[in-house]
Amino acid sequence: EIVLTQSPATLSLSPGERATLSCRASQSVSSYLAWYQQKPGQAPRLLIYDSSNRATGIPARFSGSGSGTDFTLTISSLEPEDFAVYYCQQRSNWVTFGGGTKVEIK
Amino acid sequence: QVQLVQSGAEVKKPGASVKVSCKTSGYTFTGDYMHWVRQAPGQGLEWLGWINPKSGETNYAQKFQGRVTMTRDTSITTAYLELTRLRSDDTAVYFCARDLSLKGASTWYGTDYFDSWGQGTLVTVSS
Repeated sequence: EIVLTQSPATLSLSPGERATLSCRASQSVSSYLAWYQQKPGQAPRLLIYDSSNRATGIPARFSGSGSGTDFTLTISSLEPEDFAVYYCQQRSNWVTFGGGTKVEIK
Repeated sequence: QVQLVQSGAEVKKPGASVKVSCKTSGYTFTGDYMHWVRQAPGQGLEWLGWINPKSGETNYAQKFQGRVTMTRDTSITTAYLELTRLRSDDTAVYFCARDLSLKGASTWYGTDYFDSWGQGTLVTVSS
C-alpha cells in the first residue's frame, strides 16, 4: 500500500498569506495525485487532479505541483473560506489518502 | 446539476450488517463509476472500492474484501453499499463519490478521482 504523509499537520496563517502544503508518497505515484478540501460537517471537494490540474470551478489561487514522491498544494492568498482540512490522494496503486493538513486562522 | 443523496444515519450492533443507499440525479448514472469512501470520527479518509454502474463490476479494497458488497439499481439510478460483520471500528461517515471522467483523444475515461460526493451517512456500531 502506498502511504501518503502530509505536512505540517496544522498550518496557522492569516487571511492574505500564502499557504504551502506538502504530501510525500512512500513510492512513486507519477503524477497521479489529487487534493481535496474538507470543511466541518461537509463532504470533501476536489481541488486538483493529476498533480496540477484544477477541477471545474476551482479558483486560480489554488495550484498544485510535483511528481514522483513529492507534491505541493499552494494557496497563493488565503481567503476566509479557505480555512479547512486538506487531503491528498493517490490513484497510482489502488487508492489511498494522506492524513490531512488543517489550515487554521492565526 | 449533479446530486448524490444518501440514506439516513444508522445505529447497528456489533456483528450486524448495514446497507447505505446513494440516489443520483443530474447525470448519466451508467456513465461513471461510483466509489465509496469512509471517515471515522475525527479521522482521515479511507477508500472502500468502486462499482461500475453499467456492468455491475466491482473492485474492493483488500481490507474490506469478504465484508463489503456494492450493488446498483439502474432503474432508479441508485448505488448501494452493504457492510457485514460490523465492528465498533466501522463507526464512520460513509460517502458515495462519483468518479471524475476526463476526455481523451477519442473517448472519455475514468480516473479514480472523486468529483461529486454524497452528503455522507453516519453509521454507528455500538452494543
